[in-house]
Amino acid sequence: GENVEQHPSTLSVQEGDSAVIKCTYSDSASNYFPWYKQELGKGPQLIIDIRSNVGEKKDQRIAVTLNKTAKHFSLHITETQPEDSAVYFCAASRGFQKLVFGTGTRLLVSP
Amino acid sequence: DTAVSQTPKYLVTQMGNDKSIKCEQNLGHDTMYWYKQDSKKFLKIMFSYNNKELIINETVPNRFSPKSPDKAHLNLHINSLELGDSAVYFCASSHVAGAGDTQYFGPGTRLTVL
Repeated sequence: GENVEQHPSTLSVQEGDSAVIKCTYSDSASNYFPWYKQELGKGPQLIIDIRSNVGEKKDQRIAVTLNKTAKHFSLHITETQPEDSAVYFCAASRGFQKLVFGTGTRLLVSP
Repeated sequence: DTAVSQTPKYLVTQMGNDKSIKCEQNLGHDTMYWYKQDSKKFLKIMFSYNNKELIINETVPNRFSPKSPDKAHLNLHINSLELGDSAVYFCASSHVAGAGDTQYFGPGTRLTVL
């Protein structure tokens, strides 16, 4: 089955810096790669996603890149703000919506 | 209006008890899910229902039984609770069952088994 690895487990940046979180997946048939943000005491919330027919997608300060050959995908957050502090999860799936999540990255943005 | 709601938010109980967690979505979605998040924040799917039919059943003990009375509700019953069942349980829903459809998560139920 699918296995998703996520790095780093924790990431501390200064406000205004960029943050990058990387994931690798094992199942070459996976075709959907969402990123979720989980704030303390809340459920995960989708922030951006990418499908296998696209190499890059951007939404304001957030971007995701996908390298199907290497089976890598990454989340890029520019101009980080304290409210970006949260746990971020990558995930991968193919068919029937069985999302397999990465282990999470705790992002801390210091003012 | 809350899109995906769960009750209760906190549940503290003794080993061996039976408990239920309720989930409701008002998004008109066809597919609902239960996820378990352990103490290390690892998030793993347990069950998925599409139009009240079970479509995903991961390796979960038989003590866990989902029940879907209608498309908008998916409840989770847990029998003979064990210490290892302590976790946060999330309900989620999506429009259809198929890769690429956004899943919306509820706020979670923190279960503590003493």
